[in-house]
Amino acid sequence: EAQVTQNPRYLITVTGKKLTVTCSQNMNHEYMSWYRQDPGLGLRQIYYSMNVEVTDKGDVPEGYKVSRKEKRNFPLILESPSPNQTSLYFCASSRQTQLDTQYFGPGTRLTVL
Amino acid sequence: DAKTTQPNSMESNEEEPVHLPCNHSTISGTDYIHWYRQLPSQGPEYVIHGLTSNVNNRMASLAIAEDRKSSTLILHRATLRDAAVYYCILIVTNAGKSTFGDGTTLTVKP
Repeated sequence: EAQVTQNPRYLITVTGKKLTVTCSQNMNHEYMSWYRQDPGLGLRQIYYSMNVEVTDKGDVPEGYKVSRKEKRNFPLILESPSPNQTSLYFCASSRQTQLDTQYFGPGTRLTVL
Repeated sequence: DAKTTQPNSMESNEEEPVHLPCNHSTISGTDYIHWYRQLPSQGPEYVIHGLTSNVNNRMASLAIAEDRKSSTLILHRATLRDAAVYYCILIVTNAGKSTFGDGTTLTVKP
C-alpha cells in the first residue's frame, strides 16, 4: 500500500532532550516536506526537500533540522526541544515537486514539558 | 508570499451543494490554486487544483475567477463524510514552499 509513515505517533519529552521524528514514504517520491499544525494557525511548513541531499527552509524552520540521505526517508530533528515546539507534526511527500499532489502521513503529536 | 483568505467556518445541509470561497488577491501569474481537506484526526488529503480554467473531478469542482483573485470549491452534494477543514493554498511554481492558510471548517447537518 502506498503510504507515508511517521514514528512515533505520540511523544512526550522534556525540554532540551534531543529527539528525532522519522518519516518514510514508499512511493519513490522526490519531494518531501514537514509541517506543524497548531490551533488557530493552520498548517505551517517547516522544511522541505526537492531531492536527496537537497533541503530548504519553509516558513517556520527555527529550532528544527532535517536531513535527506535517502529518497524514502526525511527525518525531523529537534536538537533541543522547547515547550513552544509542542504541536502536531505532519510529513508529506509528492511525486516531483510541491505542484504535485502531496500525500500526508498520519501525524505525530509531540508534547515538550 | 501570496496569501489566501477563507471564512473560518461554514455550515451545510446534507445532500445540498456547498460553495467554499477563497480569496487570493496577491496571486501571481504562475501560482497554482490547490485545495486540500483534513478530516478529523487525519492528515490533509488532496481535493483538486487548477491554474486558470475551472476543473472538475470525482470529489469536487473548482471555479476560478477570471482575474484569478478568488476561487470557489464546490461540493455538489454534501455528505456527513465531507465534514472537514478545507484549505485553499497557493503553490508557487518557482519555489519549493507550500503555504497553507487557516482553512474553513465545514459542518454538514443531517
